[in-house]
Amino acid sequence: DTAVSQTPKYLVTQMGNDKSIKCEQNLGHDTMYWYKQDSKKFLKIMFSYNNKELIINETVPNRFSPKSPDKAHLNLHINSLELGDSAVYFCASSQDGGITNSPLHFGNGTRLTVT
Amino acid sequence: AQTVTQSQPEMSVQEAETVTLSCTYDTSESDYYLFWYKQPPSRQMILVIRQEAYKQQNATENRFSVNFQKAAKSFSLKISDSQLGDAAMYFCAYRSAETSYDKVIFGPGTSLSVIP
Repeated sequence: DTAVSQTPKYLVTQMGNDKSIKCEQNLGHDTMYWYKQDSKKFLKIMFSYNNKELIINETVPNRFSPKSPDKAHLNLHINSLELGDSAVYFCASSQDGGITNSPLHFGNGTRLTVT
Repeated sequence: AQTVTQSQPEMSVQEAETVTLSCTYDTSESDYYLFWYKQPPSRQMILVIRQEAYKQQNATENRFSVNFQKAAKSFSLKISDSQLGDAAMYFCAYRSAETSYDKVIFGPGTSLSVIP
């Protein structure tokens, strides 16, 4: 029973292309996130949604557009891909917005390689 | 803004021995949560242990325990009886309990090797 699933697992594409990563959670959580892990393994939040509403939008190029059709799904669309976008992108969810000690539950990540 | 620091980029431990990974954080808040996550080569992020700042008792989970020093803003992870499967990146993380819907902030990670 996969809790947080994201697809695809690997994504190789050329500069300038547009691509999407999908994420779904079956935990009944209210909040979902996108994190980016760079080549040095540093994890940085990109976006957070609570019940389909954008809560956190860090300093991310507007080529990145998250979309949450319902609270169980959070997709990430990237336009005009650049070499620097190469990274591992993690989707995560948590029970609520942080009032409890609910940890993040992560998907297995999508390794994006831009050539 | 809160920050999380892990001063040991790499550590190694002999199998069956004990190792301690360091983490310090900076915050002006008094109520928050702290976590340790493990990321093995499979790249899956796995929760190891969590600590509420209002609890004085240190959290333990089997072979994993923490030393939480609130005044010093320190949150170290001790792994006892190290096993080969403990080899991974370990991330310390902070989450506010005072701000709704706040993000989880991660440290830069410590790469742990286990020597057979």
